[in-house]
Amino acid sequence: LAKTTQPISMDSYEGQEVNITCSHNNIATNDYITWYQQFPSQGPRFIIQGYKTKVTNEVASLFIPADRKSSTLSLPRVSLSDTAVYYCLVGDPGANNLFFGTGTRLTVIP
Amino acid sequence: NAGVTQTPKFRILKIGQSMTLQCAQDMNHNYMYWYRQDPGMGLKLIYYSVGAGITDKGEVPNGYNVSRSTTEDFPLRLELAAPSQTSVYFCASSYSGHGLAKNIQYFGAGTRLSVL
Repeated sequence: LAKTTQPISMDSYEGQEVNITCSHNNIATNDYITWYQQFPSQGPRFIIQGYKTKVTNEVASLFIPADRKSSTLSLPRVSLSDTAVYYCLVGDPGANNLFFGTGTRLTVIP
Repeated sequence: NAGVTQTPKFRILKIGQSMTLQCAQDMNHNYMYWYRQDPGMGLKLIYYSVGAGITDKGEVPNGYNVSRSTTEDFPLRLELAAPSQTSVYFCASSYSGHGLAKNIQYFGAGTRLSVL
């Protein structure tokens, strides 16, 4: 099971780009990297998933270096509504070993 | 599209009481999960199911039981409620199969449980 390490918290001003890095040194060949967002009193919501290189969708980008031992979630031009906890999960989707850590609490400041 | 529906939203139990947290999904997902989230913490997996009739323990299964008689429903049973089970419980479902989206989990709104 790949253990992940993320910063506990981050602050950012509105309109800035935010990068949250997750370390996963023990990532296995079949493991995917998935990021979720959680607002207070809500269940987590899927943001983005990747295996290698770069993935981009309408919400975020995910950068994964060649060794896959880390990944970076990039949120462009954050707004106050992006204040949430962001979780990095690493695991084999077919093996059901996707475990949530404590996540990164992002606070966007006006 | 309802997605994942959890009931009840809130519940207060006395120590030793029992209850069932209901979870239903209408996305025809084969995988379903139960998590608990204590204040300020991440989610911990209690039980999961890969299909009707198949369940397995997660990280923190003690004090809980599950069943999966249909694809749609995955109830979580607390037999003898204890204060340590005070938490927010989330149910999730996912599709595990071929395709670009690998086992992305969809969550319900949660059940906030207090055991006093």
